Amino acid sequence: DIQMTQSPSSLSASVGDTVTITCRASQSISTFLSWCQQKPGKAPKRLIYSASNLQSGVPSRFSGSGSGTDFTLTISSLQPEDFATYYCQQAYSAPLTFGGGTKVEIK
Amino acid sequence: EVQLVESGGGLVQPGGSLRLSCAASGFTFSTYWMSWVRQAPGKGLEWVANIKRDGSEKRYVDSVKGRFTISRDNARNSLFLQMSSLRDEDTAVYYCAAGSGWSFEYWGQGTLVTVSS
Repeated sequence: DIQMTQSPSSLSASVGDTVTITCRASQSISTFLSWCQQKPGKAPKRLIYSASNLQSGVPSRFSGSGSGTDFTLTISSLQPEDFATYYCQQAYSAPLTFGGGTKVEIK
Repeated sequence: EVQLVESGGGLVQPGGSLRLSCAASGFTFSTYWMSWVRQAPGKGLEWVANIKRDGSEKRYVDSVKGRFTISRDNARNSLFLQMSSLRDEDTAVYYCAAGSGWSFEYWGQGTLVTVSS
């Protein structure tokens, strides 16, 4: 099984900050990597697919990069509605696996 | 508007069975891979199972193999998860999710399954 390791597990940031979350796969997954956002009590929402493609309707302050084993989600100019938990997910091979999540909190 | 609406969750005793349903609308259901993803209380996301567009391929996480069965009815735009021999550790919110590949583009709002005596 492919293990997905996210870091950090949590962070505190202020509105307007740039935030970077990293995800590492235990083996190469090419660009079969997605990022989703989840707010408390809500369903997840996909932000990025294929490592760097922005989901339709998602603000351009979200961006993704990487390939192989190392990936990054960047949120530029953090907005109040961005405080949430973020997960990476590999879509390369079954069992499909998620990272442990990164909780972005208000400083 | 895309909608995925899960139903069928509830309280069940250990060893019991439950069948979850997911009604899809607003997209061409038969062209999407469908998955079930769960989230135990206060925990992260865990993929449970997926099924190919025509139902010809199914995959499961090891912890549910032999106990859960995923199926779909493309004529009724519906996805199902038959769960048996339920354990305490199966307690979670179960989401159905759709994707053109194995990424989850659309998500339902989830249905809570509680396994407890």
